[in-house]
Amino acid sequence: KNQVEQSPQSLIILEGKNCTLQCNYTVSPFSNLRWYKQDTGRGPVSLTIMTFSENTKSNGRYTATLDADTKQSSLHITASQLSDSASYICVVKNTNAGKSTFGDGTTLTVKP
Amino acid sequence: NAGVTQTPKFQVLKTGQSMTLQCAQDMNHEYMSWYRQDPGMGLRLIHYSVGAGITDQGEVPNGYNVSRSTTEDFPLRLLSAAPSQTSVYFCASSYGTGVTYEQYFGPGTRLTVT
Repeated sequence: KNQVEQSPQSLIILEGKNCTLQCNYTVSPFSNLRWYKQDTGRGPVSLTIMTFSENTKSNGRYTATLDADTKQSSLHITASQLSDSASYICVVKNTNAGKSTFGDGTTLTVKP
Repeated sequence: NAGVTQTPKFQVLKTGQSMTLQCAQDMNHEYMSWYRQDPGMGLRLIHYSVGAGITDQGEVPNGYNVSRSTTEDFPLRLLSAAPSQTSVYFCASSYGTGVTYEQYFGPGTRLTVT
């Protein structure tokens, strides 16, 4: 069964600190992996999209990594800001019928 | 561009009532989809459409109907609301379903069924 597991479930950090969110998946055959940011009360917004051949992709202070061999991805947030407080969702798409599997998300709270 | 718009933002229904959640996009996207998001769970696909006149079931289609008469609109109908359908509903669209196609989500409709 295709699964996407994210950890931790929730995280609290101080403003200015770095953090790393994890995503492990069993989706096969793999097509791509996306990280979304979802602010409270809003729809998800795409941060990065990574294909099989990509190891690292950055979007400002967000850097995603992908290890397709171990089926793991991480999202690193540098110099966190209060506006980074949100839920971060990992989504893995397989090549069969293009179906996507969503993780449950990691809720990040950045405190001043 | 307004992007993906959804109406209403909030809705309360009684068990057995029917209603339609509206979704529209102005980006000329072929692919549109409906998801539900329950607390502590990932988004689950309800129905999707790859173009006007073409719809298909997703992971959790029971109790919902869709139609796609135009490229812009993709309404979701609840036939007979049940408390289990209490959730936040998101509509999304993309130009296609390939690797690099960005998926855009609407702001969501929060539905409560009593």
